[in-house]
Amino acid sequence: SQELEQSPQSLIVQEGKNLTINCTSSKTLYGLYWYKQKYGEGLIFLMMLQKGGEEKSHEKITAKLDEKKQQSSLHITASQPSHAGIYLCGADKASGNTGKLIFGQGTTLQVKP
Amino acid sequence: DVKVTQSSRYLVKRTGEKVFLECVQDMDHENMFWYRQDPGLGLRLIYFSYDVKMKEKGDIPEGYSVSREKKERFSLILESASTNQTSMYLCASSLYTWVGAHNEQFFGPGTRLTVL
Repeated sequence: SQELEQSPQSLIVQEGKNLTINCTSSKTLYGLYWYKQKYGEGLIFLMMLQKGGEEKSHEKITAKLDEKKQQSSLHITASQPSHAGIYLCGADKASGNTGKLIFGQGTTLQVKP
Repeated sequence: DVKVTQSSRYLVKRTGEKVFLECVQDMDHENMFWYRQDPGLGLRLIYFSYDVKMKEKGDIPEGYSVSREKKERFSLILESASTNQTSMYLCASSLYTWVGAHNEQFFGPGTRLTVL
């Protein structure tokens, strides 16, 4: 079955540092979604990638999908305490077209002031 | 902006009680989802609905049922709550599309349920 592996599981960085979170699939990713979750709250949609080699940015967050469409990375530049939270990647289930997504386990990010 | 609301942020129930969790979305989305989120286990799909009165089991449907009588409302029912159903419950909605299209799901704030 299709699974998404995220790494690292957790990350502690000093404010101002850059960081990268990875999301890897054993199968081709047809749609890759990045979400952020603050502790105890719902998920907030960040961005979606569809095409191999695609890159999108929003403020200081950049997401990329590799050419083979099996790996995505989320890069945060000059991290701030407001970036702290859990980052999850999600992907379209390869079979069917019901709109269901599978999710990675999440990466917990702490940013030290 | 899409808005997904859940009836309660926190809920405490006793073992054996029947529990209703309500979710409402205001963007005319066809798809609605119920997940539970537990530390170390990530998000797990309980039930999915792709239209009014239509439902499909997710990965962990045991002990749960759902109801979708109106397009905007999707209810999760715990027939007889047990302590192992203590969890964070998240509702989501999305447009009906196809694999590879924009299937992003929009989530509610979550309900933290504790069963004593």
